[in-house]
Amino acid sequence: AQKITQTQPGMFVQEKEAVTLDCTYDTSDPSYGLFWYKQPSSGEMIFLIYQGSYDQQNATEGRYSLNFQKARKSANLVISASQLGDSAMYFCAMREGDMRFGAGTRLTVKP
Amino acid sequence: KAGVTQTPRYLIKTRGQQVTLSCSPISGHRSVSWYQQTPGQGLQFLFEYFSETQRNKGNFPGRFSGRQFSNSRSEMNVSTLELGDSALYLCASSLLTSYNEQFFGPGTRLTVL
Repeated sequence: AQKITQTQPGMFVQEKEAVTLDCTYDTSDPSYGLFWYKQPSSGEMIFLIYQGSYDQQNATEGRYSLNFQKARKSANLVISASQLGDSAMYFCAMREGDMRFGAGTRLTVKP
Repeated sequence: KAGVTQTPRYLIKTRGQQVTLSCSPISGHRSVSWYQQTPGQGLQFLFEYFSETQRNKGNFPGRFSGRQFSNSRSEMNVSTLELGDSALYLCASSLLTSYNEQFFGPGTRLTVL
């Protein structure tokens, strides 16, 4: 069964604007972790941000923030002030034992 | 601190052969996970090792196996290669397991002809 859903195959954003990448997940386990990774065309996976299921506050890391809505099982990534270097694939992942990844969203930042 | 290293970076094999990929985690990390990435199936979890023990296993046939050594270095082996095994194989290490962030290596690009 699909556990991580990223409904946006591709997104475009103007440089310096904010963008939200959607992610919903499915689990009955009360304890889990949510992650966002960035994969540029070079292929390396870069960790961006982590949210634990028991964390009360939304996680933030620089220009990245995670909009965590536990009841809705949603963990959207918000990138503020987009830069050209943000163009990449973005993967949402959930860890409850093993790690499951969504299909990814390809973000393109326009100058 | 050095990152996760994977060797080799590129590999070309023919059907029926076997292959061994190597992963050296970040120093001090005890958990190593392996993933297969293909355009069609995306990122799929293969297995996770922690302190030389397999902790979790994904839904892959028995041709895919792995192990972890006492220094946390890990290898994965694929026997009787099939064309569909062509993929980017990513290794990731984390300090412990479960809910620590994972740091990925650059991957091994395997092509099966």
